[in-house]
Amino acid sequence: GQQVMQIPQYQHVQEGEDFTTYCNSSTTLSNIQWYKQRPGGHPVFLIQLVKSGEVKKQKRLTFQFGEAKKNSSLHITATQTTDVGTYFCAGQKSNTGKLIFGQGTTLQVKP
Amino acid sequence: NAGVTQTPKFQVLKTGQSMTLQCAQDMNHEYMSWYRQDPGMGLRLIHYSVGAGITDQGEVPNGYNVSRSTTEDFPLRLLSAAPSQTSVYFCASRKQGASEQYFGPGTRLTVT
Repeated sequence: GQQVMQIPQYQHVQEGEDFTTYCNSSTTLSNIQWYKQRPGGHPVFLIQLVKSGEVKKQKRLTFQFGEAKKNSSLHITATQTTDVGTYFCAGQKSNTGKLIFGQGTTLQVKP
Repeated sequence: NAGVTQTPKFQVLKTGQSMTLQCAQDMNHEYMSWYRQDPGMGLRLIHYSVGAGITDQGEVPNGYNVSRSTTEDFPLRLLSAAPSQTSVYFCASRKQGASEQYFGPGTRLTVT
């Protein structure tokens, strides 16, 4: 079946350092979504990428969708303590299909 | 709008007991889903629904039943609880044609 793998599982950074998490799918995706979950909270939608090679930015966050639509990345520039949490990617094979989540990357930021 | 609500917040069951986790949304969303979250495994889809009267299986449906008699409600039933069903359960909804999925606050279930 469809699998979405995400690395790394954990990342500890010093405040101000950059952070990147990577997501790879075993199959070509229709779109990919990114979510953030704060400790003890629920996942919150960040963004959706649809087009091959698409790059989107939200302040210090940069999201990319690979040319083959099988991989994606989230890069945070100059991390802050408010960035702490677990970041999940989630892929869909079609717009009405199931959303399959990666295992998540938990980010810790040392002040 | 209350968004997506889930009850209860916490539940402890004994092996073999049955129970229903409640989920409701007041945003008139067509799509609703149930996920379970276990450490190191992300969120796994249990069951989902694309509208009232329509449900389908996700990745890990065994041991769970759902129904969707109204647009607002999507209860998840555990037929005979097992320790392997100890997890955090999240309900989510989204509007047809929209990308953003809204999650409820979750139910933390422990089966002893």
